[in-house]
Amino acid sequence: TAGITQAPTSQILAAGRSMTLRCTQDMRHNAMYWYRQDLGLGLRLIHYSNTAGTTGKGEVPDGYSVSRANTDDFPLTLASAVPSQTSVYFCASSATGGTEAFFGQGTRLTVV
Amino acid sequence: GESVGLHLPTLSVQEGDNSIINCAYSNSASDYFIWYKQESGKGPQFIIDIRSNMDKRQGQRVTVLLNKTVKHLSLQIAATQPGDSAVYFCAESPGNQFYFGTGTSLTVIP
Repeated sequence: TAGITQAPTSQILAAGRSMTLRCTQDMRHNAMYWYRQDLGLGLRLIHYSNTAGTTGKGEVPDGYSVSRANTDDFPLTLASAVPSQTSVYFCASSATGGTEAFFGQGTRLTVV
Repeated sequence: GESVGLHLPTLSVQEGDNSIINCAYSNSASDYFIWYKQESGKGPQFIIDIRSNMDKRQGQRVTVLLNKTVKHLSLQIAATQPGDSAVYFCAESPGNQFYFGTGTSLTVIP
């Protein structure tokens, strides 16, 4: 079982450019999440989706957008990247709220 | 927003000793808590969880203790091994989201 797959693994992006980080899960989980991880700040929630067709804002949503057209996919888009968005991005999913979340391997994004 | 904090950012223990990692959480509405382990270059991996109607839960070599009175969570690792070296995160969930602490780096000394 693949679990959660993120793509790309890493990316260098010019400031001002747009980019979509992809996330796909094959566990038929209802809930999906995007986190960014920065040294000393742990994992911070960007956006989440409790079920297909719905999304919500997390702790640090500014500069990011998400969509949840179906159960399996939860892409994260940076419309106009800025250097402060340099981070490692993790996608996660859980069956429902109140159950463990499974994480992907992360996407390392550098905005220059 | 949520505030989940760890008392110590780093912890070094001798191989074979027991490790205790502490975590403070702030939202009294949180009813589900998880400990994750993250090795370098990898995503967080589930270790153990506990619900708010419990104060202790045991797994294989790990125990989680929950003190709701002082909003404190701890992870105990018995007979710590070199493979336990990693960053450990606690997470709280007041509903459908998970909020993480900043992490404790555990180093096991052979």
